[in-house]
Amino acid sequence: DAKTTQPTSMDCAEGRAANLPCNHSTISGNEYVYWYRQIHSQGPQYIIHGLKNNETNEMASLIITEDRKSSTLILPHATLRDTAVYYCIVRSFMIYNQGGKLIFGQGTELSVKP
Amino acid sequence: DTEVTQTPKHLVMGMTNKKSLKCEQHMGHRAMYWYKQKAKKPPELMFVYSYEKLSINESVPSRFSPECPNSSLLNLHLHALQPEDSALYLCASSHDILRGENTEAFFGQGTRLTVV
Repeated sequence: DAKTTQPTSMDCAEGRAANLPCNHSTISGNEYVYWYRQIHSQGPQYIIHGLKNNETNEMASLIITEDRKSSTLILPHATLRDTAVYYCIVRSFMIYNQGGKLIFGQGTELSVKP
Repeated sequence: DTEVTQTPKHLVMGMTNKKSLKCEQHMGHRAMYWYKQKAKKPPELMFVYSYEKLSINESVPSRFSPECPNSSLLNLHLHALQPEDSALYLCASSHDILRGENTEAFFGQGTRLTVV
């Protein structure tokens, strides 16, 4: 699986957009970009995933560059409850019946401040 | 029901004890995972089960023994653990990745294990 690089920590003002970058320069053609977050002492929570097109759901937007070497997770109006560690993960197809490895990197600790 | 339930929530065990962690899901997922997470570190993959068969073992010591008795249940049997095995143990489940459906993994809240 491709490695990802994320900033260790970021701050964001409440109500503003939080833009979390991720570098995955060695991503290959069949690998998806997934984002999860982990609020303190809870299990990780799925946010969004994409292959090459930009994606949006009720939680966030995912912007993937045309060369797929980097992506940005956007939380459009951050709240205090969005304070968490955000993980960018590159996940490959596995051969049938192998499930799919989900390997976590170090993540970005996002602090949303009033 | 999009829940993965892990029991117990907390466990304290001695180094000579045998204990088991349990994980249950009723989403029809056929891939289930065990992760270990130390404080301030990301989750580390331990095992992956696919269709009740062990498909990935990330070189985990044999004192950790996984079991998948049916498609809804995943156990982690613990024996002769060391204090450094104290961690949060997370279970997750997902559809098998090649089903062509959304392959998000759902995580449980974890079991916080302390080995004394």
